[in-house]
Amino acid sequence: DTAVSQTPKYLVTQMGNDKSIKCEQNLGHDTMYWYKQDSKKFLKIMFSYNNKELIINETVPNRFSPKSPDKAHLNLHINSLELGDSAVYFCASSNLAGVTEAFFGQGTRLTVV
Amino acid sequence: QKEVEQDPGPLSVPEGAIVSLNCTYSNSAFQYFMWYRQYSRKGPELLMYTYSSGNKEDGRFTAQVDKSSKYISLFIRDSQPSDSATYLCAMSRWGTGANNLFFGTGTRLTVIP
Repeated sequence: DTAVSQTPKYLVTQMGNDKSIKCEQNLGHDTMYWYKQDSKKFLKIMFSYNNKELIINETVPNRFSPKSPDKAHLNLHINSLELGDSAVYFCASSNLAGVTEAFFGQGTRLTVV
Repeated sequence: QKEVEQDPGPLSVPEGAIVSLNCTYSNSAFQYFMWYRQYSRKGPELLMYTYSSGNKEDGRFTAQVDKSSKYISLFIRDSQPSDSATYLCAMSRWGTGANNLFFGTGTRLTVIP
């Protein structure tokens, strides 16, 4: 069974559209995250959710909004997509406290045209 | 200046070679040092981590941390074609979970049979 799964794997869309990426984890972790990997492979955290509360919100545009219906899911909604949003988005999960391995999903490659 | 610097490569070596991958960092508060492996079109997976300074060995892989020089290394002995991937270093102040990891840009390694 896949530990962290995200859908879709690929997403091609036009500028100005609104899209969502879904993420689910079956590891029982208490915290989920969204990371963005740009064209130079640089990975940077966007959001972190713990017990349905946003605990890290990096300086990302407010067009991006994470939504967590329950502790096993963290979806990413993006409004008014721009060319610069093209990247690979990774969902991850771990426990918040202590030394715990983080598991990443396979990524969603978003291309805005 | 980025908090974590890593030579992007690419690095090509013959099978059986010893590989050395390195990162430097600027934030002296980092306490946890991780190496992730990312295969093409996949998410990063944790390879190993070290707390504070010192060495850690796991099979063919050895991680070294020199906090005085703010320099970390990953050595791969007897490299195999299956080691071909991008290797990302990551660092954190508080743990190995995915909350606020600072990643390097990754070094792409190819092991030639």
